[in-house]
Amino acid sequence: EAQVTQNPRYLITVTGKKLTVTCSQNMNHEYMSWYRQDPGLGLRQIYYSMNVEVTDKGDVPEGYKVSRKEKRNFPLILESPSPNQTSLYFCASRQYNEQFFGPGTRLTVL
Amino acid sequence: GEDVEQSLFLSVREGDSSVINCTYTDSSSTYLYWYKQEPGAGLQLLTYIFSNMDMKQDQRLTVLLNKKDKHLSLRIADTQTGDSAIYFCAERFDNQAGTALIFGKGTTLSVSS
Repeated sequence: EAQVTQNPRYLITVTGKKLTVTCSQNMNHEYMSWYRQDPGLGLRQIYYSMNVEVTDKGDVPEGYKVSRKEKRNFPLILESPSPNQTSLYFCASRQYNEQFFGPGTRLTVL
Repeated sequence: GEDVEQSLFLSVREGDSSVINCTYTDSSSTYLYWYKQEPGAGLQLLTYIFSNMDMKQDQRLTVLLNKKDKHLSLRIADTQTGDSAIYFCAERFDNQAGTALIFGKGTTLSVSS
């Protein structure tokens, strides 16, 4: 089944404790991206990657890092999480005209 | 900069048609999308339309695009309670820096029986 998977689905952590949210797609898509969804703000793009070893900042990249060492994986790294990074995070991958989203990761930073 | 606007709420009765509207600012958009997000779930691609099309129909869904006015709408015929969700409009544009999808804030559709 073609899909985008994210792990973990839920995470509660404390300020400053590094964490990684994994994202994997099995559709051989070149383009992948990360979004955060916040009430009243909709979806905002954090980072995107056009292909392996090519990553670029989106609209809200501060406090986040990504890597794209292989086509299928695009992890989101929070080196020192802060409470304002409490949000719902979506990974997505795209080929041509269709973008597919993962199920979301709800992150709470205390 | 690029912006996508949607009304925040729409309430309809079961069996009626729903029309969700969206306006966008970037005239160089290549594709426009509608996504559906059910409670606690991710975003599901409903349909999309190429920017040189006026209309696209897919079963109960009709997308209308007025490129001159930069207005996009999604009509759901015979709305059911299962259509209750948040609907996001998104525009895609491509430039030298790459491609991006800009999302609206979402329209919450509430369907009452």
